[in-house]
Amino acid sequence: AQSVSQHNHHVILSEAASLELGCNYSYGGTVNLFWYVQYPGQHLQLLLKYFSGDPLVKGIKGFEAEFIKSKFSFNLRKPSVQWSDTAEYFCAVRYFEETSYDKVIFGPGTSLSVIP
Amino acid sequence: SAVISQKPSRDICQRGTSLTIQCQVDSQVTMMFWYRQQPGQSLTLIATANQGSEATYESGFVIDKFPISRPNLTFSTLTVSNLSPEDSSIYLCSVEGPGDRGGGGELFFGEGSRLTVL
Repeated sequence: AQSVSQHNHHVILSEAASLELGCNYSYGGTVNLFWYVQYPGQHLQLLLKYFSGDPLVKGIKGFEAEFIKSKFSFNLRKPSVQWSDTAEYFCAVRYFEETSYDKVIFGPGTSLSVIP
Repeated sequence: SAVISQKPSRDICQRGTSLTIQCQVDSQVTMMFWYRQQPGQSLTLIATANQGSEATYESGFVIDKFPISRPNLTFSTLTVSNLSPEDSSIYLCSVEGPGDRGGGGELFFGEGSRLTVL
């Protein structure tokens, strides 16, 4: 079955520290990869996405992610976090099915707390 | 991007009753997705709703408990039937952004409908 895992449930960092959140998926076929963020009390927003091409993708707010196909990974990074980055981060994978539709599966999420 | 409106934004319901959640999109979309986000957890896909056909349910979700309607390309409803406290959750409607199947667009989400069952 398709699944998405995230390495950390909760991460606590001080401002200016570097961030890396791990994401792995189980499927060996064609996938699209996403990172979403959910700030406290707000709805999900897209940080970045990967479809094809350069495996290093850049998103909003200084985030980037690297797709490593051989490792089925799509890790999120930011060189210097800010207090405003405190949020829940979800990795998501679109799996392309043989049937007429495909679906997006979300990882369990990583809660990031940035201490001023 | 797509703008998604959900109603109600929150509700408190009694055990054994049902709640219908409406989802309105500002553009025509082929597929709409319904997710559930239980407290402190990630999003779980309930079903995919295509206009003109029956919804496709994920493992663990059945039509009797979560009937879905999709009368046109901009609207869908999800009903949560025979409510129990375990159904307390945020229910999210989602649509796919522009993009062909080889490079599917990202999902856009509504604000969600927070359901509390007493």
